Amino acid sequence: NAGVTQTPKFQVLKTGQSMTLQCAQDMNHNSMYWYRQDPGMGLRLIYYSASEGTTDKGEVPNGYNVSRLNKREFSLRLESAAPSQTSVYFCASRPLVSDEQFFGPGTRLTVL
Amino acid sequence: GQSLEQPSEVTAVEGAIVQINCTYQTSGFYGLSWYQQHDGGAPTFLSYNGLDGLEETGRFSSFLSRSDSYGYLLLQELQMKDSASYFCAVRDSGGYQKVTFGTGTKLQVIP
Repeated sequence: NAGVTQTPKFQVLKTGQSMTLQCAQDMNHNSMYWYRQDPGMGLRLIYYSASEGTTDKGEVPNGYNVSRLNKREFSLRLESAAPSQTSVYFCASRPLVSDEQFFGPGTRLTVL
Repeated sequence: GQSLEQPSEVTAVEGAIVQINCTYQTSGFYGLSWYQQHDGGAPTFLSYNGLDGLEETGRFSSFLSRSDSYGYLLLQELQMKDSASYFCAVRDSGGYQKVTFGTGTKLQVIP
């Protein structure tokens, strides 16, 4: 099992460019999450998906969109990147009957 | 919404015991989780308290008191590899899946 995988690992964008961060899990988990983590800070929830076909806003959703493509995949899209979106992005998944989240390795995004 | 506060930094000596506190203001949650994150790495799950009281997992223990809106993570026999950031987290109750993380505590273990 690969667990939770994220692509790309690193990305540099110019202001105004768009990109999609990919996340996939092979543990058959129902819930999936996208977080951002700024230097020296905690994790802030961007969007989450309780199950296939549903998505909900978290604490900091502005400037982002998500797609729960199927049970395995949950992507995060930046339509018009801004320097304030420079951060490390983590995807996580959680099984139905547990609070334990499994995190991917993260995507380090810099917006110039 | 949920708000979880932790001390920003803690320093402790190798072999000693350290307690990391988490105080919260919530509108209802299932339980309190703890995660460890080394610099440059991803968070990894440590423990979960669904009920009040103490849960023990090896050198790590975690405690929850809902009446006091308070929990803590206890690390015993500290090792240098325990130097990391530690986060508490709660998941909303009431059918939602939203998760809120605490502000995080950076633990430095010194020789």
